[in-house]
Amino acid sequence: NAGVTQTPKFQVLKTGQSMTLQCAQDMNHNSMYWYRQDPGMGLRLIYYSASEGTTDKGEVPNGYNVSRLNKREFSLRLESAAPSQTSVYFCASSDGEGNEQFFGPGTRLTVL
Amino acid sequence: GIQVEQSPPDLILQEGANSTLRCNFSDSVNNLQWFHQNPWGQLINLFYIPSGTKQNGRLSATTVATERYSLLYISSSQTTDSGVYFCAVYTFNTGGFKTIFGAGTRLFVKA
Repeated sequence: NAGVTQTPKFQVLKTGQSMTLQCAQDMNHNSMYWYRQDPGMGLRLIYYSASEGTTDKGEVPNGYNVSRLNKREFSLRLESAAPSQTSVYFCASSDGEGNEQFFGPGTRLTVL
Repeated sequence: GIQVEQSPPDLILQEGANSTLRCNFSDSVNNLQWFHQNPWGQLINLFYIPSGTKQNGRLSATTVATERYSLLYISSSQTTDSGVYFCAVYTFNTGGFKTIFGAGTRLFVKA
């Protein structure tokens, strides 16, 4: 089993460009999460999906949108990237909301 | 909102030494998890421990939910233990589900 996978691993954008970060899990988990990690800090929750068909805002949702495409996949979209969105983005999943979370390898995003 | 404080912020150990990392939280939580972020940035699950004590090899963890803290013990440290250790708390309330990470303890183990 691959666990949680994320694509791409690295991305450089110019201010104003858009992109979608992809996340997939093969553990049959119900809940999925998107976090960002800025240098020297812990992770902050952007959006989460408690179950297929639902999404909710986390601590720092501004500038992002999400789509729970099916039970396996949860994508994060930046419509108009800003330098403040330069960060490492992690996707995670758990078998239920608030249960043990398993993380993907992360996407390092730089916005110039 | 809930505050999560980890101590110490930085720790340097000689290989073979023992250490205790602490995570304090300011309000009741539903669940708590410890992670190790290795130097390559990968987040590795250590313990999912809302209460009680668990052990896995040289590592163990204790959470005392009523007193709002959790401890991570590392015994006989190795250079591969280097990295950042995070605790994260999970809560449900009228505002919905929240995950709050501490700022981490940065550990360096010298050979």
